[in-house]
Parts: sequence; structure tokens; C-alpha cells
Amino acid sequence: GNSVTQMEGPVTLSEEAFLTINCTYTATGYPSLFWYVQYPGEGLQLLLKATKADDKGSNKGFEATYRKETTSFHLEKGSVQVSDSAVYFCALISMDSSYKLIFGSGTRLLVRP
Amino acid sequence: DSGVTQTPKHLITATGQRVTLRCSPRSGDLSVYWYQQSLDQGLQFLIQYYNGEERAKGNILERFSAQQFPDLHSELNLSSLELGDSALYFCASSVLAGGPDTQYFGPGTRLTVL
Repeated sequence: GNSVTQMEGPVTLSEEAFLTINCTYTATGYPSLFWYVQYPGEGLQLLLKATKADDKGSNKGFEATYRKETTSFHLEKGSVQVSDSAVYFCALISMDSSYKLIFGSGTRLLVRP
Repeated sequence: DSGVTQTPKHLITATGQRVTLRCSPRSGDLSVYWYQQSLDQGLQFLIQYYNGEERAKGNILERFSAQQFPDLHSELNLSSLELGDSALYFCASSVLAGGPDTQYFGPGTRLTVL
């Protein structure tokens, strides 16, 4: 079946450090992949997406590349800020008739000044 | 702001009670999805509606039901509430019935069952 695996958190970094949050997936076919972010006390916001292999999604300095050969969609940012502290969710769209989102367990990022 | 609205923001109730959560999709979106976020289960898909019709069901309990109205807003009804139903309930909307459509999420309703 479809599933998403994310690295366990929390990830604690100093401001301006480089960020990588690993995400791998198992799926039938080639689903679209997403990163959503949840800031404290808020809902889920779409951060970026990629719809096919080798696509790179980017937004607000974050990037992720759809790697079919390694079934991965790792999130990266070159220089994190305190305001990036949040929980990050990797997700795929199930390609069965439901087209539901299947989420990873989330990775909490804490950026210290 | 995603354009998806949910009310109420917080709900506190007792075991055995029934509550209704409301969601208004983005303008132009025909599809509404409901998800539950809990500490032990993470984010899980509950149910999807498209243009008033139920389209897909996930891990939704029989005590839970939903509907989508002609104006496309949706309601999630939770009855005979148990302590374990305490969670954050999100709705999301998208334009089409399916395909690799981006889903946009509302701010959620936090349900606390005492």
C-alpha cells in the first residue's frame, strides 16, 4: 500500500544552519508529492509540491526534488530562521479513486537564535 | 489564508455528546476532504465529498457522518463521543474530484472530549 516515512524529530538547529528533513515514500504509480507545514497553534499550510519525477518544488527558500529512483522527496533549506520553527509533513496523493492525502508522521523543527 | 474556513475553532464537550463541525471550501472548489489529527494516529483521511456526493471513505468511525450541502459547505457530525475522539479535525478543499490536485486546508477545529 501507499505510505510515507519521515525522519523522526525533533530537529534542533541554530539560525542560519542548513536543513534537511528526509522523506521517502512507497506508492503505486507516480503520485504527486507535497510538503505541508504546521506552525504552532495553526492549521496545515502547503509549502511546496512536485507532480512528476525530477520536478523540484520550491517556496520561501525551501526546496525538494522528486526522486523516482530513490523514492524520496527530501526537504532542504540553505539557511533556517527562528520563524521556520514548525512541524513539517511530507505527503503523497493516493492514486486510487479516493485521491486522499497520505501523510508522514511529521518532523518538528526547532531553530534557536 | 487558504480560503478554507472552519467553525468552531475550539469545541469542548462531554463523553456521549454529539457535535457538528462546519467547513466552507475555497470559492470554486467542489471537493471537500475531512482529516483527523491525533497524537497516536497522526493525520488520517476520514471522508471526501464532491459536489454534494460522497466520493471516498477512509478510517471513519460509524459514529461519525458527514454531508455536503448545495452551497458546497460541509459538516462533520460526531456522535456518542468518547475520550479518544479528542483531536484536531481539518477540512481541505480542491477544485476537482481527483487527480493530483492540491488540497488547501482550513485552520482546523480542536475537539476536546472530557
